[in-house]
Amino acid sequence: EELLVESGGGPVKPGGSLRLSCAASGFTFDTYSMHWVRQAPGKGLEWISCITSSGSDSSYADSLEGRFTISRDNAKNSVFLQMNTLRVEDTAVYYCARGGAVVLNGMDVWGQGTTVTVFS
Amino acid sequence: DIQMTQSPSSLSASVGDRVTITCQASQDISKYLSWYQQKPGKAPKLLIYDAFNLETGVPSRFSGSGSGAHFTFTISSLQPEDLATYYCQQYDRLPLTFGGGTRVELK
Repeated sequence: EELLVESGGGPVKPGGSLRLSCAASGFTFDTYSMHWVRQAPGKGLEWISCITSSGSDSSYADSLEGRFTISRDNAKNSVFLQMNTLRVEDTAVYYCARGGAVVLNGMDVWGQGTTVTVFS
Repeated sequence: DIQMTQSPSSLSASVGDRVTITCQASQDISKYLSWYQQKPGKAPKLLIYDAFNLETGVPSRFSGSGSGAHFTFTISSLQPEDLATYYCQQYDRLPLTFGGGTRVELK
């Protein structure tokens, strides 16, 4: 079974940092691009970042203003999201999702999500 | 950025009804559109990719059509388990963008 499992969410104060992890299993991880998508409470889906299968290229939503960094470790079948200078508006459920061989693709496997709560 | 406008934002229908949702892109995205279903408290699920291709295992009552900037998602006969929020998403270019969602409720 193709699975993605996120971890690393939790409560954090404004200005703080968190590192989310997403562990993949059941498929050849290093042949797929990976994405992070978030959903604020009661709101819709927002794409925030992606990384190519090799990890050589990444892209981000403008709204992040350079505060987040995506990375991956293909030897450990994992993708990460380093989140710095967190703001209250970053409060959301964060999902990792599998893209295609290229980043411009739909997302066909999703994790269960990990919740990040930024509050003072 | 490409804006995706979904309508309606919510709808109420009866079991067996035909349900149609539209998604308008702010520019031509060819066929590069997916539709997702999200049930409360759950992750989104891919239903359709490349505008009209059904993901493996998805019931045939779900369908998609359109190209360019105008797309349609249809449930031919609404079932109780279809109660969810549906999102379109373009992948013609980065940043990937989603529509605002359509909540489907039972009348």
